[in-house]
Amino acid sequence: DAGVIQSPRHEVTEMGQEVTLRCKPISGHDYLFWYRQTMMRGLELLIYFNNNVPIDDSGMPEDRFSAKMPNASFSTLKIQPSEPRDSAVYFCASSSTDRAGNTIYFGEGSWLTVV
Amino acid sequence: GNSVTQMEGPVTLSEEAFLTINCTYTATGYPSLFWYVQYPGEGLQLLLKATKADDKGSNKGFEATYRKETTSFHLEKGSVQVSDSAVYFCALSVLSEKLTFGTGTRLTIIP
Repeated sequence: DAGVIQSPRHEVTEMGQEVTLRCKPISGHDYLFWYRQTMMRGLELLIYFNNNVPIDDSGMPEDRFSAKMPNASFSTLKIQPSEPRDSAVYFCASSSTDRAGNTIYFGEGSWLTVV
Repeated sequence: GNSVTQMEGPVTLSEEAFLTINCTYTATGYPSLFWYVQYPGEGLQLLLKATKADDKGSNKGFEATYRKETTSFHLEKGSVQVSDSAVYFCALSVLSEKLTFGTGTRLTIIP
């Protein structure tokens, strides 16, 4: 069974460029999460969706960040324009509400470097 | 709000030593509790979980017991191996929604 799939795994881009990170959640899961991990701030929840609808985007740093979930099997996180302080690992995760204590499964992460 | 406090790292132990990583939480509502592990250069993997008081989660020799009275979920392993070197995150979720993570504890096991 395929897990959460993220792409690209690694990206190096120049400051000012647009970055798009992609995520395919586990089939049948109705929650999707975007997290960011840095040495300084640890793991931060950026936004999460339930049934493709954004529920909480209070963790999105600023207007340069946007996330969409056009259907149950795909989500994007976009940074435009990118800045060096956006360098981090971005994790997508998904879970299902079919029972209590559901596990949230993480992708391998997208390792972003903005130079 | 919800929060997780876990033992500050880094922790360095010799192989076959006993491991404890402390984790305490505060939550509005009845949380499920998790330990995730992150190996170098990889994503987060679920190590174990517990969904109600007195439940014990276990996996790969690791154990943690959900203690409601002390709001704790300490991770233990009786004999660590070099391959256990990783960062360990305690986390909680309420009503199966978003995870709230602790800051992570870096564990290094030396031969």
